[in-house]
Amino acid sequence: DVKVTQSSRYLVKRTGEKVFLECVQDMDHENMFWYRQDPGLGLRLIYFSYDVKMKEKGDIPEGYSVSREKKERFSLILESASTNQTSMYLCASSTTGSLSSYEQYFGPGTRLTVT
Amino acid sequence: AQTVTQSQPEMSVQEAETVTLSCTYDTSESDYYLFWYKQPPSRQMILVIRQEAYKQQNATENRFSVNFQKAAKSFSLKISDSQLGDAAMYFCAYRSAGGAQKLVFGQGTRLTINP
Repeated sequence: DVKVTQSSRYLVKRTGEKVFLECVQDMDHENMFWYRQDPGLGLRLIYFSYDVKMKEKGDIPEGYSVSREKKERFSLILESASTNQTSMYLCASSTTGSLSSYEQYFGPGTRLTVT
Repeated sequence: AQTVTQSQPEMSVQEAETVTLSCTYDTSESDYYLFWYKQPPSRQMILVIRQEAYKQQNATENRFSVNFQKAAKSFSLKISDSQLGDAAMYFCAYRSAGGAQKLVFGQGTRLTINP
């Protein structure tokens, strides 16, 4: 089974801190994604990556950056955390190709609180 | 840009009954994929069912089936013989057939199963 893990389930940070959220997948997937989930808004795409060292902005990239130095790992960085970044963050991965089911596999999520 | 709308924030159903969750989407594309994802309380998001837009036949997975109306841009999920384990947030999602594999999600519907 595909496994996507995230470094923390719960995280509390102070305003202005630099925050790192880590995501690791074990299925050699090319594509990785970071979403944030807010009540009434569903999931919104922050950034995604389709290859090592490649990244593309999603719908709400402001205040975030990402890093993908290895295929299995995709990091989300909050350069200077703000209270409006309090949210649930979900990582996902998927593969590309003729046998792909186009399914995205999700991690358990990190609930980040910025105080 | 594509949008996905779930107009039912909450739904409830009696155990063993049938429930239908609604989803509409807006796109100018002719080829795409639609998904229903399930997020149980405190558990990871998983794929429930997938529909390719070029297929006229509605997808079915055991007790889960969809009613895909391409012209109306509607994609509802029917859950038959509801079970307590079906209680979850359900998200409808859209993905273009070409280009990046990013998903566009609806706002979600919280489904409660009454014993």
